[in-house]
Amino acid sequence: GAVVSQHPSWVICKSGTSVKIECRSLDFQATTMFWYRQFPKQSLMLMATSNEGSKATYEQGVEKDKFLINHASLTLSTLTVTSAHPEDSSFYICSAMGSGGAGVKTQYFGPGTRLLVL
Amino acid sequence: AQSVSQHNHHVILSEAASLELGCNYSYGGTVNLFWYVQYPGQHLQLLLKYFSGDPLVKGIKGFEAEFIKSKFSFNLRKPSVQWSDTAEYFCAVNNRGYQKVTFGIGTKLQVIP
Repeated sequence: GAVVSQHPSWVICKSGTSVKIECRSLDFQATTMFWYRQFPKQSLMLMATSNEGSKATYEQGVEKDKFLINHASLTLSTLTVTSAHPEDSSFYICSAMGSGGAGVKTQYFGPGTRLLVL
Repeated sequence: AQSVSQHNHHVILSEAASLELGCNYSYGGTVNLFWYVQYPGQHLQLLLKYFSGDPLVKGIKGFEAEFIKSKFSFNLRKPSVQWSDTAEYFCAVNNRGYQKVTFGIGTKLQVIP
């Protein structure tokens, strides 16, 4: 149980385009989803927390207009990197936390999406 | 703000050696504690967690961790490592009642056959 998927697993795009990354909880309802960014040789950096049906809460220094997060259902959250630039190239990871059962109080992670902006 | 320190960034062990990875956190209140593992090419997986009760927590694959409140520590241990334990290990902490989880920088473990 407690499986989280991400799509796509990797994406290459041109500078200036927008990229959407999906995060799905496959076998539990995720009331809360988290988006992280992982830089080489560094830990996960939390970008934002999203609760189903509410606006996302962004961490300090993360541009909410650049990284649009939508958590429209209990099993799906999306991160859209708008007008992507090379400095946005990174590894983006989502996690999901449920309100009960296997997912309660524990984050379960997706496999990540590697974004390369040319 | 919560911070998490993992003291060993890169550990190299021979098979059958014992393992202890250090983890300390800064916030003195009630916390939930986690160890995650990331095998090469795979995503983060939960190894074990502590919410309350017995401070000695047993996880998957023979790992255990001990919560010592007075030392703000949650060290990960395994009596005898295997080559398949080669991975990166992350300690994580969240303040009880809050959603945000803070991660340590990770420790890369390399087990030599």
